[in-house]
Amino acid sequence: EDQVTQSPEALRLQEGESSSLNCSYTVSGLRGLFWYRQDPGKGPEFLFTLYSAGEEKEKERLKATLTKKESFLHITAPKPEDSATYLCAVQAPGGSYIPTFGRGTSLIVHP
Amino acid sequence: DAGVTQSPTHLIKTRGQHVTLRCSPISGHKSVSWYQQVLGQGPQFIFQYYEKEERGRGNFPDRFSARQFPNYSSELNVNALLLGDSALYLCASSPGQQNTEAFFGQGTRLTVV
Repeated sequence: EDQVTQSPEALRLQEGESSSLNCSYTVSGLRGLFWYRQDPGKGPEFLFTLYSAGEEKEKERLKATLTKKESFLHITAPKPEDSATYLCAVQAPGGSYIPTFGRGTSLIVHP
Repeated sequence: DAGVTQSPTHLIKTRGQHVTLRCSPISGHKSVSWYQQVLGQGPQFIFQYYEKEERGRGNFPDRFSARQFPNYSSELNVNALLLGDSALYLCASSPGQQNTEAFFGQGTRLTVV
């Protein structure tokens, strides 16, 4: 059973057109939720860690929020350089700190 | 300051062969994790090593093994390669065991023919 589901799979935006990416999860007792950005052929780049419902974090045009069932990555006035795949991962409680990744959302921002 | 470095960047192997992938973490980071990423999917956890001990293992066969050296660098070994092992292999380092802020290398692209 998938613990992490990301939607949409792909998203095309015009430059300046704000939108949100969704990451829903089914683990109970979430230890942490992570957002990464991945450019083609490269390793993921860390963006945010969220720990508890209601928490929000911002970085430039990106803002991540967390509820008890899902997280949103809001992109405000995106630019073409924001084009990438955005990955979400969760850590469930337990003895190890293994993150489970979703399949990602591929974002393309057209100029 | 150097980030996470992996070698080699690309590799082509034949079915049944063995491969060793290498990773150097960010200076001061004691945790190294390995992931397999196939096209169109998110990274899948293989191993975590912290302070030279295995601290987590994903759902991979025993053909996969790893170790961490005293300088915190790490090797991932895969024996008896299968076509399905073709993937991007990623290494990530973090300061502590909790993996709360992991920094990834550029990956090793392994192709098995």
